[in-house]
Amino acid sequence: AQSVTQPDIHITVSEGASLELRCNYSYGATPYLFWYVQSPGQGLQLLLKYFSGDTLVQGIKGFEAEFKRSQSSFNLRKPSVHWSDAAEYFCAVGPMNYGGATNKLIFGTGTLLAVQP
Amino acid sequence: GAVVSQHPSWVICKSGTSVKIECRSLDFQATTMFWYRQFPKQSLMLMATSNEGSKATYEQGVEKDKFLINHASLTLSTLTVTSAHPEDSSFYICSARDPRTPSYEQYFGPGTRLTVT
Repeated sequence: AQSVTQPDIHITVSEGASLELRCNYSYGATPYLFWYVQSPGQGLQLLLKYFSGDTLVQGIKGFEAEFKRSQSSFNLRKPSVHWSDAAEYFCAVGPMNYGGATNKLIFGTGTLLAVQP
Repeated sequence: GAVVSQHPSWVICKSGTSVKIECRSLDFQATTMFWYRQFPKQSLMLMATSNEGSKATYEQGVEKDKFLINHASLTLSTLTVTSAHPEDSSFYICSARDPRTPSYEQYFGPGTRLTVT
C-alpha cells in the first residue's frame, strides 16, 4: 500500500541552527514528491516539489530537499532556521500518472517544528 | 501563482442545521478539486474528489449524504455539511488542481473552521 512516513512528530531547534525533517515513502514507482507548510489555522503552502531530474530541489523560504531513491526518502533541510519557520510541515506523494482525474496526494502525519530563541 | 479561496473562513452553527463551504480557484480553471478534513494536530484526511460536471468520488468511510459536494463550474466547488453535529466540528480544507502545470499541482485554500454547537 502507498504510504508516507514522517518519523518525527515534533522537533525543536534553536534559531539559526540547521534543520532536517525526514520523510520516507512507500510506493511502487518514483512518485511526485512534495513538501507543504501549514501555519496555525491556515491552509497549506507548497514549499517545493520533485518530479524528475536533479535530486536536490530548491524551494521557497530557503528550504531544500533531496530525493534519495535508494532510501525512498525526501528529507527537507534548511541551513539556518528563523523563528518564523515554526509551523507544521507535511510531506506528500502523488502518483506519476498525475493526469488521471482520480489521482490524489497522500500526506504524512506531519512534523511540528518549534523554534527556540 | 495559482490562488484558491475558501468562504467562510470560520463558521459556527447549531446542531441539526446545514452549512455550505465554498472553494474557488481565482485565476485558473480547476477541473478537479479535493476536499480534506483535518482534526487538531493531525494530518489531512481526503474526504472526496470533486470533478466538474460529474458526481464526486468519496473516500471510504465518508458519508456522501452528509457531506454533499457540488462542482458546478470550473472555478467553484461547494461542500455542504448536512444536519451538522458536534462531531462534524473540524477544519475543512479544499485544494484545486491546476491543469496548466505539467505535474497537475494542487493548490490549497486557507481552510474553514467549522464549530457545531
